[in-house]
Amino acid sequence: AQSVTQPDIHITVSEGASLELRCNYSYGATPYLFWYVQSPGQGLQLLLKYFSGDTLVQGIKGFEAEFKRSQSSFNLRKPSVHWSDAAEYFCAVEDGNQFYFGTGTSLTVIP
Amino acid sequence: GAVVSQHPSWVICKSGTSVKIECRSLDFQATTMFWYRQFPKQSLMLMATSNEGSKATYEQGVEKDKFLINHASLTLSTLTVTSAHPEDSSFYICSARDYRGTGELFFGEGSRLTVL
Repeated sequence: AQSVTQPDIHITVSEGASLELRCNYSYGATPYLFWYVQSPGQGLQLLLKYFSGDTLVQGIKGFEAEFKRSQSSFNLRKPSVHWSDAAEYFCAVEDGNQFYFGTGTSLTVIP
Repeated sequence: GAVVSQHPSWVICKSGTSVKIECRSLDFQATTMFWYRQFPKQSLMLMATSNEGSKATYEQGVEKDKFLINHASLTLSTLTVTSAHPEDSSFYICSARDYRGTGELFFGEGSRLTVL
């Protein structure tokens, strides 16, 4: 069965610092990969997605993610974090039928 | 982009009552919608797949008599929590796929249910 692992439950970074959120997946073929952000009490907002092609994907709000097939990873990055980026981040895999979500990484941004 | 809307965004009810949550695709037709449940500080767990004009497909461990799903039209799916109890309190999120467009899955804003 497909699975998504986000090793970091909680990350704290200083405003202006760089950020990397890790995501590993288990899937037989190349899946469709997504990163979503969820603010408290809100639904999910798509940050970026990878279907095929260039393995470095640009998303909204200055985020990017890189698909590394050899590592089965799809890590999310941002060069300079803003206080408004504090939220819950979910990595997801789609196998053409269903979505599988990671357990999420909670991001705290300190001034 | 396509929009999926949920209503109500939050609801408080007494134990033993039933609550209906609506999920609408506003600018596209959705033959399939998905219902998720999210506990505090946890990920989304797929509850069921709602199919227009047919019975929903429930994930293992989800009580179909407890969580009634109806997908009567191409733009509306409803989740009814029957005889709600405090343990049913949760954040419920729906999603719908725009098959005729990009095929992307769009999520509703979520509905927070609190059962007293």
